[in-house]
Amino acid sequence: EPEVTQTPSHQVTQMGQEVILRCVPISNHLYFYWYRQILGQKVEFLVSFYNNEISEKSEIFDDQFSVERPDGSNFTLKIRSTKLEDSAMYFCASSPRGQGYNEQFFGPGTRLTVL
Amino acid sequence: AQTVTQSQPEMSVQEAETVTLSCTYDTSENNYYLFWYKQPPSRQMILVIRQEAYKQQNATENRFSVNFQKAAKSFSLKISDSQLGDTAMYFCAFMKHPGGGADGLTFGKGTHLIIQP
Repeated sequence: EPEVTQTPSHQVTQMGQEVILRCVPISNHLYFYWYRQILGQKVEFLVSFYNNEISEKSEIFDDQFSVERPDGSNFTLKIRSTKLEDSAMYFCASSPRGQGYNEQFFGPGTRLTVL
Repeated sequence: AQTVTQSQPEMSVQEAETVTLSCTYDTSENNYYLFWYKQPPSRQMILVIRQEAYKQQNATENRFSVNFQKAAKSFSLKISDSQLGDTAMYFCAFMKHPGGGADGLTFGKGTHLIIQP
């Protein structure tokens, strides 16, 4: 069964460093998403992406964040200058399309630890 | 903006018992979807069940069923014959009916469900 994959499973970085979190969505899916879950808190929507551009973004997704689909398979989230409060689980999701109901399939997450 | 509230941070029941997890939400939308996601210790988010707001009939998936009360903005999850594998965080989530953009899900804070042997 096809699934969303994410690498790495755990990333440790120093404050101020740039990190790139990688996701491989399900191959025939068209919409891609990033969510964040700070430890012990709820999952929060960051951004959705379709047709090589951002479709929707939350207020959390400020200028330090960017997303990209550099090739036909990867979908990345870049955090330019990490802060301590960026420590969280980051989940990637994909869906076949955004119009009408389409289930969002989640990846296993990347745990980001900023020291 | 939408909000989702789960008032039970943690619940514990014996195996084979029935348990109900509560969720309320607030929205000005008329058409939307509601979901329950399960997050086991592996942290993977797994869709348990969904409900379309325009459908009056409550959704069911095997041992999982919902009680959807649109006027009260309430969406509870009932798990029958609970099993040890049901131990997980359960998140209630809302998605407004897509109007052209790929809207994200709005999640509640979750309920940690523990099934005791």
